[in-house]
Amino acid sequence: SQQGEEDPQALSIQEGENATMNCSYKTSINNLQWYRQNSGRGLVHLILIRSNEREKHSGRLRVTLDTSKKSSSLLITASRAADTASYFCATETNRDDKIIFGKGTRLHILP
Amino acid sequence: NAGVTQTPKFRVLKTGQSMTLLCAQDMNHEYMYWYRQDPGMGLRLIHYSVGEGTTAKGEVPDGYNVSRLKKQNFLLGLESAAPSQTSVYFCASSPRRDYTDTQYFGPGTRLTVL
Repeated sequence: SQQGEEDPQALSIQEGENATMNCSYKTSINNLQWYRQNSGRGLVHLILIRSNEREKHSGRLRVTLDTSKKSSSLLITASRAADTASYFCATETNRDDKIIFGKGTRLHILP
Repeated sequence: NAGVTQTPKFRVLKTGQSMTLLCAQDMNHEYMYWYRQDPGMGLRLIHYSVGEGTTAKGEVPDGYNVSRLKKQNFLLGLESAAPSQTSVYFCASSPRRDYTDTQYFGPGTRLTVL
């Protein structure tokens, strides 16, 4: 079964607005990562947040982690056309060596 | 550094044919992974390897075999291709440092099984 589930499945916003995506997971994790995938390309790592961290920033990206709710959110501020992509969360559990990906959120930035 | 490369980029097979997908990385990473990506399904882990000479099953291993004879290469084999294996296949590698592990992905192989 899927460890991580992103919400919403798809999101369209105007350029300049903020975009928020959420990820929920089921079992305890070591860390949670967010990846971006442009159409037809491989995934690119964006940010990693450890289980003992609550918030992390990288440029226009802000990630939060709430281990009590088993959820994470990715905020992209001041969105740009180039942010149009699919965004995936990936969780590494403390049980094994696997990293499990969610189904992704498709983000479309409207001009 | 080339990073993670995959060959071939595209392939069309007939049902029952066999083929091998090659993944190579030049970053001296310990861990390597094979995923398949289908519409609406995200990425699903097929097999992975935690080091040279080792392999392990992921979420959807049936119908696939893998080998990691050299640290830099991870091969994915389809012995008898089926239409259900039509997908985009991604390879990834990671250095595997505790709690800071990130994956580096290849560009993908688009496989169609007729």
